[in-house]
Amino acid sequence: DVVLTQTPPTLSATIGQSVSISCRSSQSLLHSNGNTYLHWLLQRPGQSPQLLIYSVSRLESGVPNRFSGSGSGTDFTLKISGVEAEDLGVYYCVQGTHAPYTFGAGTKLELK
Amino acid sequence: EVQLVESGGGLVQPGRSLKLSCLASGFTFSNYGMNWIRQAPGKGLEWVASISSSSSYIYYADTVKGRFTISRDNAKNTLYLQMTSLRSEDTALYYCARRTGCFDYWGQGVMVTVSS
Repeated sequence: DVVLTQTPPTLSATIGQSVSISCRSSQSLLHSNGNTYLHWLLQRPGQSPQLLIYSVSRLESGVPNRFSGSGSGTDFTLKISGVEAEDLGVYYCVQGTHAPYTFGAGTKLELK
Repeated sequence: EVQLVESGGGLVQPGRSLKLSCLASGFTFSNYGMNWIRQAPGKGLEWVASISSSSSYIYYADTVKGRFTISRDNAKNTLYLQMTSLRSEDTALYYCARRTGCFDYWGQGVMVTVSS
């Protein structure tokens, strides 16, 4: 199974600070069809996860453009350019290239 | 507005069965692959099972293979998860999510507690 390793496990930030989360895969997430199915989710406290970024860098509809994703192959990054209070919660990367689909362990973003 | 509403959870004894449902609305259900994903209390997310739009392709996590069955009724816009031989480690909040491998919309989840 593909293992996704997220770092850091916890991230403390002030409002307005820019932060990045890394997601490294145990194998390439480039699908044979040329797409890379690496996505980012945010789970706010007490809520269901929501999709932020899909296919590495595509912003889901309605998601603020302070969120951005980058990477290829096995190394991926989620960046938040100017953290806002509503961004607090746990961020997960998830891969949909290889079955079984797997999630990273999560990165908890909290206020410093 | 896309909505996914899970139901059918509860407290069940080890070894018993339970069937979850997920009623979909706000989109053409028959056009999308669907998934069950679970989250044990205080833990991360674990993919459980996926089913393609026409039920032609079905996949399971090794942890539930042979015990859980995913199915769908496109006429009723409903996704199901039949769970048998339940174990304490199956205790979790079970979410249904749209779009296999991408999970673009999630329900609010339904709690399953396996305990004697």
